[in-house]
Amino acid sequence: AQKITQTQPGMFVQEKEAVTLDCTYDTSDPSYGLFWYKQPSSGEMIFLIYQGSYDQQNATEGRYSLNFQKARKSANLVISASQLGDSAMYFCAMRDFGNEKLTFGTGTRLTIIP
Amino acid sequence: AAGVIQSPRHLIKEKRETATLKCYPIPRHDTVYWYQQGPGQDPQFLISFYEKMQSDKGSIPDRFSAQQFSDYHSELNMSSLELGDSALYFCASSLTSGRAAFKNIQYFGAGTRLSVL
Repeated sequence: AQKITQTQPGMFVQEKEAVTLDCTYDTSDPSYGLFWYKQPSSGEMIFLIYQGSYDQQNATEGRYSLNFQKARKSANLVISASQLGDSAMYFCAMRDFGNEKLTFGTGTRLTIIP
Repeated sequence: AAGVIQSPRHLIKEKRETATLKCYPIPRHDTVYWYQQGPGQDPQFLISFYEKMQSDKGSIPDRFSAQQFSDYHSELNMSSLELGDSALYFCASSLTSGRAAFKNIQYFGAGTRLSVL
């Protein structure tokens, strides 16, 4: 069974600093995808970035990058130059070859301080 | 770019009533997913449809049913509502055809917030 662990319930970061949100995962399937989503207080779920298990390079999307360490089963999200609008709940999720569903972690609430 | 459209955005029902949630996927997306997010919790998968056929099933109560129609929109029908059904219900869609499933990015709608009183 697939499992996602996010150990940081909440984080406070100064504006313009970089922030790393931790995510570890567990699956016995060699084929899987890792995803990060952002959920602002308004409630919508916004896709940020994707990393496939066979991808050789770490994924990047603008200010978001994914620090993928396959041997350690970690997929940390790095946000560079944080902005006030980055304040939100962030969920790490995964999907392996045999499943339609996304399995989510418990989330990290990020607060950016001016 | 067009996104996933969910309606209604908010719904208030009494216990034992029924509710119908609607989802319009991104154009040309062939797979629809439903998730339930309780207060302070992570989203939990309910059910998915690929090309109008149920493709996977999660922890969906027997009181709930769903289907995908010929125009690819989907509806989640909830009967005999209970207080514990109060949650944010998300629909997501993805383009699945020709790709390994684990690579498919699910794009979420804004959700329907259901309150059962």
